[in-house]
Amino acid sequence: QKEVEQDPGPLSVPEGAIVSLNCTYSNSAFQYFMWYRQYSRKGPELLMYTYSSGNKEDGRFTAQVDKSSKYISLFIRDSQPSDSATYLCAMSGGGSQGNLIFGKGTKLSVKP
Amino acid sequence: EADIYQTPRYLVIGTGKKITLECSQTMGHDKMYWYQQDPGMELHLIHYSYGVNSTEKGDLSSESTVSRIRTEHFPLTLESARPSHTSQYLCASSEFSGGWTDTQYFGPGTRLTVL
Repeated sequence: QKEVEQDPGPLSVPEGAIVSLNCTYSNSAFQYFMWYRQYSRKGPELLMYTYSSGNKEDGRFTAQVDKSSKYISLFIRDSQPSDSATYLCAMSGGGSQGNLIFGKGTKLSVKP
Repeated sequence: EADIYQTPRYLVIGTGKKITLECSQTMGHDKMYWYQQDPGMELHLIHYSYGVNSTEKGDLSSESTVSRIRTEHFPLTLESARPSHTSQYLCASSEFSGGWTDTQYFGPGTRLTVL
């Protein structure tokens, strides 16, 4: 079983839709959860960062962590064509276990 | 925007050639990383460094080697390239805090094709 599971999609939605992206994980030691966005032929860029459980909101983006279910989500409200990219979840246990473990990424396409 | 650079961006070479992928960052970050990314697959950590003269192997076995002689520079070398080395190589850096996880900033990547 992989430590981090993420549906690769592709996911296609109309402009203005609410998008839900998800990852599950198996390692209960993970405490730090991140979402990266990667445009085609570019490196990943950090989008959201959450420690432990709870929600974090930044503009149209909301990250949720449910440690009891080992499940994290990224919601995008009022999606725009510029949101079309691959979204990667990443997580770590911190400290000596600080190296990130990435999901495969979900390819999102927002159609005008 | 993170100041981390990779050269070349694209490289096509023949089998058996020695290559070096360059990575430089101007943020003064201590920790640097090399990842391998194949289409539809996870980023896999192949090497990382905590600072000058520090190099560690990642969770994915790789025939490449790295060096860290200067804080800002973390080159990756393949002594004899093979078609199985064809992939995208991503370099990243972070300000190593020691106690918690590090926010990593990525370069644009080098797409390597070995014929």
